[in-house]
Amino acid sequence: AQSVTQPDIHITVSEGASLELRCNYSYGATPYLFWYVQSPGQGLQLLLKYFSGDTLVQGIKGFEAEFKRSQSSFNLRKPSVHWSDAAEYFCAVVPYTGGFKTIFGAGTRLFVKA
Amino acid sequence: EAQVTQNPRYLITVTGKKLTVTCSQNMNHEYMSWYRQDPGLGLRQIYYSMNVEVTDKGDVPEGYKVSRKEKRNFPLILESPSPNQTSLYFCASSPGLAGGSGANVLTFGAGSRLTVL
Repeated sequence: AQSVTQPDIHITVSEGASLELRCNYSYGATPYLFWYVQSPGQGLQLLLKYFSGDTLVQGIKGFEAEFKRSQSSFNLRKPSVHWSDAAEYFCAVVPYTGGFKTIFGAGTRLFVKA
Repeated sequence: EAQVTQNPRYLITVTGKKLTVTCSQNMNHEYMSWYRQDPGLGLRQIYYSMNVEVTDKGDVPEGYKVSRKEKRNFPLILESPSPNQTSLYFCASSPGLAGGSGANVLTFGAGSRLTVL
């Protein structure tokens, strides 16, 4: 079945440590790929997106993500996590060019230890 | 400020009492959508609209209605709410076909937490 999978329900990292959040999708063609962040009590905000071209994309707040076609993955990374990064992160996919329906993963909640 | 505004933010109601959650965007976006967020399930699409008077079902439309009479507004109607509709609801919009590379980028409202007793 077509899906977006975020294998980690929650992750805890120490402040200053590096972070990688995993995302895999199962759609035939290369979809449009997104990461959104949801801070407590707020709506979702776009971190970054991939449509085509360079497979390493930069986003806001120092985040980046790498698209790997062979692995059907779009993992989110940050070299040094700040306490304010504690939030829930959603990987999302628009399955085909020209479409608008966005499919979301179940989310990964990030906890940051002082 | 470009934004999507939802009201109410919090609502407690009883089974069967009709309610409407309003959604308004000020970005002239073509595409609007309603999602519900439940723990462990991420966001699931309820209904969406490609433009005025054009709406369609998402993945979990049962028990909900929508309308799109004006481009900026996309209310979500629960005709007879039931406890399984207790959830956090988000309205979102995106530019749509006129948006170029940003066509699919969603702007979200702050959410409406609904409890049905």
